[in-house]
Amino acid sequence: TQLLEQSPQFLSIQEGENLTVYCNSSSVFSSLQWYRQEPGEGPVLLVTVVTGGEVKKLKRLTFQFGDARKDSSLHITAAQPGDTGLYLCAGEITGTASKLTFGTGTRLQVTL
Amino acid sequence: DTAVSQTPKYLVTQMGNDKSIKCEQNLGHDTMYWYKQDSKKFLKIMFSYNNKELIINETVPNRFSPKSPDKAHLNLHINSLELGDSAVYFCASSQNPHDNEKLFFGSGTQLSVL
Repeated sequence: TQLLEQSPQFLSIQEGENLTVYCNSSSVFSSLQWYRQEPGEGPVLLVTVVTGGEVKKLKRLTFQFGDARKDSSLHITAAQPGDTGLYLCAGEITGTASKLTFGTGTRLQVTL
Repeated sequence: DTAVSQTPKYLVTQMGNDKSIKCEQNLGHDTMYWYKQDSKKFLKIMFSYNNKELIINETVPNRFSPKSPDKAHLNLHINSLELGDSAVYFCASSQNPHDNEKLFFGSGTQLSVL
């Protein structure tokens, strides 16, 4: 059973379009992170959210943590080819300190 | 300088062989990890060491044995390799075991067992 389900699994869009990736769980998280992984490389941390309802922005990327801290979303505005990659959410489940649970991943491709 | 470096990048071997993957971090972090990423890109923790001491040991076959000679190194030795061990293995580090906010990953070792 995957604790963190991401949707969609795959997304292919054209440059300039907007998109949203979702990360859902039935578990409560003390914190949640988003990573981007490019082929042949390890995941790179984009952001960490810790408070229910929290919204963080990183240039064209907007991250939101659900009020109940069970879900999160990543919205990209005006996608660019450089946004292409595998996006992973990862959460620290309350009561399981030191152990991150990763989501199922969303593979994004942005074409010209 | 690469913050978390692991070698080799690619490892192709026959079933039944024993192999090791090495990892080093130059960030001065106390905690190091091994993660396994399967063909569907699902990333799962295997082990975590804090200052050379094992603190997380997920349900991993005992053919996998991590070794931490010092806090900057965490190596992974795998005995009697099986086809199902084929995956990408990532080393990672953080300042301390509770610092999940700042996890740094290596670039991975792609293991193919034939």
